[in-house]
Amino acid sequence: GEEVAQTPKHLVRGEGQKAKLYCAPIKGHSYVFWYQQVLKNEFKFLISFQNENVFDETGMPKERFSAKCLPNSPCSLEIQATKLEDSAVYFCASSQFRLRDRFRGLNTEAFFGQGTRLTVV
Amino acid sequence: LAKTTQPISMDSYEGQEVNITCSHNNIATNDYITWYQQFPSQGPRFIIQGYKTKVTNEVASLFIPADRKSSTLSLPRVSLSDTAVYYCLVGGLPFTGGFKTIFGAGTRLFVKA
Repeated sequence: GEEVAQTPKHLVRGEGQKAKLYCAPIKGHSYVFWYQQVLKNEFKFLISFQNENVFDETGMPKERFSAKCLPNSPCSLEIQATKLEDSAVYFCASSQFRLRDRFRGLNTEAFFGQGTRLTVV
Repeated sequence: LAKTTQPISMDSYEGQEVNITCSHNNIATNDYITWYQQFPSQGPRFIIQGYKTKVTNEVASLFIPADRKSSTLSLPRVSLSDTAVYYCLVGGLPFTGGFKTIFGAGTRLFVKA
């Protein structure tokens, strides 16, 4: 598709429950990113993928968060045993970086989905 | 990773030019400067990107001085629909070791009639 599709739009979980968020990147984009946006607009980088391989996971709280991007499937972000502090909007973005684009002066931009609002009660 | 500092909020009137400046004192050689716009309940949307000097597209201009320690997003003749949060991002590219684009807190622009 031509836009990043995130599902569900809203998700409510009780503390301790599991939450799973999905992201379908733009077709042909090889990079996928997950961000967490909490109050006051602050974004926190969680993880990035290059195709199905983890590219950078330094932002992930690994004890409860996991993510995958498998071929022919939407990418997913899973939170085991949610906590109140996990309440946030989770954004997925995709990008098709090609070195030759940079040499041509083309932009390297990420396209964001509409986000999934997770509320932990 | 380069940290960015922007004004928390700005007010303007329709038809005026708005300049939002972002400081990024420890920008790295491989870092690009990118600006995104975010409306409520939506994901950020790319506006403009640059490395040095001036970049202009159909919606904005980006001014980057020679030392690259700051950048200014210029929005000509804003309208009410430009009311949004504007983020300045500084980040490298995948082949340099990572594409961990870091968002700052953003600047909330409010355009009045």
